[in-house]
Amino acid sequence: GQQLNQSPQSMFIQEGEDVSMNCTSSSIFNTWLWYKQDPGEGPVLLIALYKAGELTSNGRLTAQFGITRKDSFLNISASIPSDVGIYFCAGQGNTNAGKSTFGDGTTLTVKP
Amino acid sequence: NAGVTQTPKFRVLKTGQSMTLLCAQDMNHEYMYWYRQDPGMGLRLIHYSVGEGTTAKGEVPDGYNVSRLKKQNFLLGLESAAPSQTSVYFCASRAGKINTGELFFGEGSRLTVL
Repeated sequence: GQQLNQSPQSMFIQEGEDVSMNCTSSSIFNTWLWYKQDPGEGPVLLIALYKAGELTSNGRLTAQFGITRKDSFLNISASIPSDVGIYFCAGQGNTNAGKSTFGDGTTLTVKP
Repeated sequence: NAGVTQTPKFRVLKTGQSMTLLCAQDMNHEYMYWYRQDPGMGLRLIHYSVGEGTTAKGEVPDGYNVSRLKKQNFLLGLESAAPSQTSVYFCASRAGKINTGELFFGEGSRLTVL
């Protein structure tokens, strides 16, 4: 089946620093989504991307849909303590049911 | 807004016992999914449903069964629990025909099998 490689697995940064994480796939996706999971909760959507090359921002977050449709990245600028959590990328192919394949997640720790 | 509600939130089972996790959504979504989350392994799809009365296998379906008798509910059953099924289970739903691709998740159900 489809697999996503998400990196890095974890990051420890100082407050105010910028963060970058990415996902690569062995298959083409039609939609890339980035989610954040806070402790004890389910993932919540941050950004959705629908076209190859698309660059989308949501506040301090910026994500891009790779030209090859096999990769995506997420940047967080000027990190703050509440950015702590697990970030997941997810890809959706052109199949029925819109099933999402998730990366293994990037655990972000922000030191005040 | 309730969104997606999972019950129970926590459960401890002994090997061989059975149980059912209930997922309820109030957004009139067509699609519903059950995922399991294990440390360092992201979210893996167990079963999913594209509408009332329909179910299909996902990536890791063995040992689980599901039912979607009502559009708003999606049940995940373990007939004979095994320690390998210790995990956090997440239910999610998604709009059908017109949608953004976004999955709406419940808060998770933490299951421990001894």
